[in-house]
Amino acid sequence: EIVLTQSPATLSLSPGETVTLSCRASQSVSNFLAWYQQKPGQAPRLLIYDVFNRATGIPARFSGSGSGTDFTLTISSLEPEDFAVYYCQQRGNRPPRYTFGQGTKLAIK
Amino acid sequence: QVQLQQWGAGLLKPSETLSLTCAVYGESISGHYWSWIRQPPGKGLEWIGEVNLRGSADYNPSLKSRVTISRDTSKNQFSLKLISMTAADTAIYYCARGPLTGVFDFWGQGALVTVSS
Repeated sequence: EIVLTQSPATLSLSPGETVTLSCRASQSVSNFLAWYQQKPGQAPRLLIYDVFNRATGIPARFSGSGSGTDFTLTISSLEPEDFAVYYCQQRGNRPPRYTFGQGTKLAIK
Repeated sequence: QVQLQQWGAGLLKPSETLSLTCAVYGESISGHYWSWIRQPPGKGLEWIGEVNLRGSADYNPSLKSRVTISRDTSKNQFSLKLISMTAADTAIYYCARGPLTGVFDFWGQGALVTVSS
C-alpha cells in the first residue's frame, strides 16, 4: 500500500497570506496525485488532479507541483473560504489502488 | 452537471449489514467508474471500492471479504453492501464518481452510519 504523509497536520494563518502544504508518498506515484478540500459537514471537493491541473471552477490561487514522491499544494493570498482541511490522494497499480493522506487542517489565525 | 444522491440506514447493530444506494443524475452510470469512500468521525478518507465501466467491482483489500458494490443501469444507481458491521465501521459513507481518470470529481452528500448496540 502506498502511504501518503501530509505535513503539517495543522496550520494557522491569516487571510492574504500564502501557504504551501506538503504530501509525501512512500513510493513513487508518478504524476497521479490529486488534492481535495473539505469543509465541515461537506463532502470533499476536487481541487487539483495529475499534480498540477486545476479542476473545473477552481480559482487560479490554487496550484500544485511536485513529482515522484514529493508534492505540494500552494494557495496564494488566502481567502476566508479557503480555511478547511486538505487531502492528497494517489492512484497506483497495487491494491488498494487509491489512498488518501491524513489531511492538513488550515485554520484562521 | 452530475449529481449524486445517496440513502440508506444510518443506525446499525453489530453484525448487521450496511446497505447504501447512490442515484446518479445527469450522466449514465454505464459511462464512468463509481466508488464508495468512507470517513470515520474526525478522521481521514478511505476508499472502499468501485464498480467500473463493465460493471465489475474492485475493492480495498482491507474490506474485500465483507463488501459488495454493484450497479443497476436500469435505475442509474449503484449500491454498497458491507456485512458484519462493527463499531470500527462507524463513519460517514460517501458515493463518488471515479476514478476513471484517477480522481473522484463528484460526490454524494454523505451518510453517517453508526454501529452501536
